[in-house]
Amino acid sequence: NAGVTQTPKFQVLKTGQSMTLQCAQDMNHEYMSWYRQDPGMGLRLIHYSVGAGITDQGEVPNGYNVSRSTTEDFPLRLLSAAPSQTSVYFCASSASLVVSSYNSPLHFGNGTRLTVT
Amino acid sequence: SQKIEQNSEALNIQEGKTATLTCNYTNYSPAYLQWYRQDPGRGPVFLLLIRENEKEKRKERLKVTFDTTLKQSLFHITASQPADSATYLCALGGKLIFGQGTELSVKP
Repeated sequence: NAGVTQTPKFQVLKTGQSMTLQCAQDMNHEYMSWYRQDPGMGLRLIHYSVGAGITDQGEVPNGYNVSRSTTEDFPLRLLSAAPSQTSVYFCASSASLVVSSYNSPLHFGNGTRLTVT
Repeated sequence: SQKIEQNSEALNIQEGKTATLTCNYTNYSPAYLQWYRQDPGRGPVFLLLIRENEKEKRKERLKVTFDTTLKQSLFHITASQPADSATYLCALGGKLIFGQGTELSVKP
């Protein structure tokens, strides 16, 4: 049981480049989300999804796009990377089936460390 | 605005002592609150969830309290061990907003 798998583990981009951070879970979880973690700022929610075809914005969505074509996958796209997007990105999933049940525990991947120069 | 605050200063304690970490929040009325542990280079791992009508919850050496009047949760680790050294995060709210975490270091 792999849980939540994130790839790549490390990535260096130049300003203006685009890339996709991959996230896959094998627990059949409906809820998936992306966070970024910066020193002293904790985890901040970027985007989330409550099921295939449904996505919504979190606290810091600007500069990021997401889509959810399957239950298992929730990729995060950076269209034009900026140095301010240098961070560690975490994908998480939950067994919540309805919006009001967001608060069942999150299962996290081990992160992608992204540096934008 | 909604805010969650954890003690940003690292907590250093001696093995065998009880560690107490604090999570304060403002402008929330959460129905429940969660605690996670994060080791360096890893994603957070869920530890405990406490509901607003549960004043206290225990799991092995862990104890969490939830005071909705004070808008505070306390996280205790009794008989602490060096293996308990990690960063501990509290989280609450409909989309799970996290505090910045408190780093705990347990010295042998």
